[in-house]
Amino acid sequence: DAKTTQPNSMESNEEEPVHLPCNHSTISGTDYIHWYRQLPSQGPEYVIHGLTSNVNNRMASLAIAEDRKSSTLILHRATLRDAAVYYCILLYSGGGADGLTFGKGTHLIIQP
Amino acid sequence: EPEVTQTPSHQVTQMGQEVILRCVPISNHLYFYWYRQILGQKVEFLVSFYNNEISEKSEIFDDQFSVERPDGSNFTLKIRSTKLEDSAMYFCASSEPRLAVSTDTQYFGPGTRLTVL
Repeated sequence: DAKTTQPNSMESNEEEPVHLPCNHSTISGTDYIHWYRQLPSQGPEYVIHGLTSNVNNRMASLAIAEDRKSSTLILHRATLRDAAVYYCILLYSGGGADGLTFGKGTHLIIQP
Repeated sequence: EPEVTQTPSHQVTQMGQEVILRCVPISNHLYFYWYRQILGQKVEFLVSFYNNEISEKSEIFDDQFSVERPDGSNFTLKIRSTKLEDSAMYFCASSEPRLAVSTDTQYFGPGTRLTVL
């Protein structure tokens, strides 16, 4: 699997936007960019994914660089409930039952 | 909203004993997974399962481990002769293959905390 690099931790204030970066310089053309998060004492939770174009859903937005070597997860208005570890994961688009390869992720701290 | 459930939430066992961790995936899902997370470490993929057979497994998933779908709803992970280092959170996940998009969202359960004494 192609490797991703994320900052170990980031801090933000409640109700402010948060931009979580991810570098994936060795991404291949068939890799999707997935984001999951893990709230304290819970299982991982899907956030968003994309291939080339920017994506929006009810949880977040995903901005993908034109060369696809980096991406940014955007939480538009962080709440205390968004405090979690966020994982950027590349997943081969061939599908099937591929296991996710989790890195250390970014520990997001939200200050009230 | 449908969710993956796991039982028990906490399992304590003696070293050398066998344990079975149970999962009920989301009902229309066809792919099933087990992951583990040792305290303070990364989530690690163990195995995936499709059409009643193992689809992919990691180096961690050795002969000590086995998976089974004994009926139409349960998915189990059996650990034979548990070791101290098997102590971890074990997460089950499931996904529904979508014909138009070949990568699938995995939905995780809340986990079973296994403590081996």
